Amino acid sequence: AQSVTQLGSHVSVSEGALVLLRCNYSSSVPPYLFWYVQYPNQGLQLLLKYTTGATLVKGINGFEAEFKKSETSFHLTKPSAHMSDAAEYFCAVSDSFGNEKLTFGTGTRLTIIP
Amino acid sequence: KAGVTQTPRYLIKTRGQQVTLSCSPISGHRSVSWYQQTPGQGLQFLFEYFSETQRNKGNFPGRFSGRQFSNSRSEMNVSTLELGDSALYLCASSHGLARNTGELFFGEGSRLTVL
Repeated sequence: AQSVTQLGSHVSVSEGALVLLRCNYSSSVPPYLFWYVQYPNQGLQLLLKYTTGATLVKGINGFEAEFKKSETSFHLTKPSAHMSDAAEYFCAVSDSFGNEKLTFGTGTRLTIIP
Repeated sequence: KAGVTQTPRYLIKTRGQQVTLSCSPISGHRSVSWYQQTPGQGLQFLFEYFSETQRNKGNFPGRFSGRQFSNSRSEMNVSTLELGDSALYLCASSHGLARNTGELFFGEGSRLTVL
């Protein structure tokens, strides 16, 4: 079975500072990895995904993530935090090829300090 | 393009009752997945339907069931409700094709409270 671990259930950064949200995965096969964001009282929205190819993936709203196989990591970063980035972020791995079953991490709540 | 629509948004039930939640996917999407979100367990996969067939199932008891109609709309049902079923139930749709694996579009959810 595949799994993801998100380090830090709560992260606070100052506006304009670097955002770093950590995700490590466990997979016996090449993984499909995703970051989703959830704003209050809303569903989840896809930020970015890694399937194959380039290991540095760029997403929406200035976020990017780097797939590092040697470290089994897929950390999410943004150079400069904005107040609108305050939300909960979920890392996920596709359970198997060809269907839509995702295994999610427990989430990281990002707070932006003005 | 309309997004994923879930109804009802909020509902309150008592233990032992049953509930039916509805999900209308994005036009053209043939896959509908259901997830349960709770503070303690996080996001857990319930099941996925593709072209009216259950394609994948999570580890939930048989009280949780679903179906998909020919227009891709989906319903999930929970029978004999328990307090622990209180959660946000999220529906997600996608094309359901291998190249789109994991690109899910979520609705805003149905928040179920069991008293």
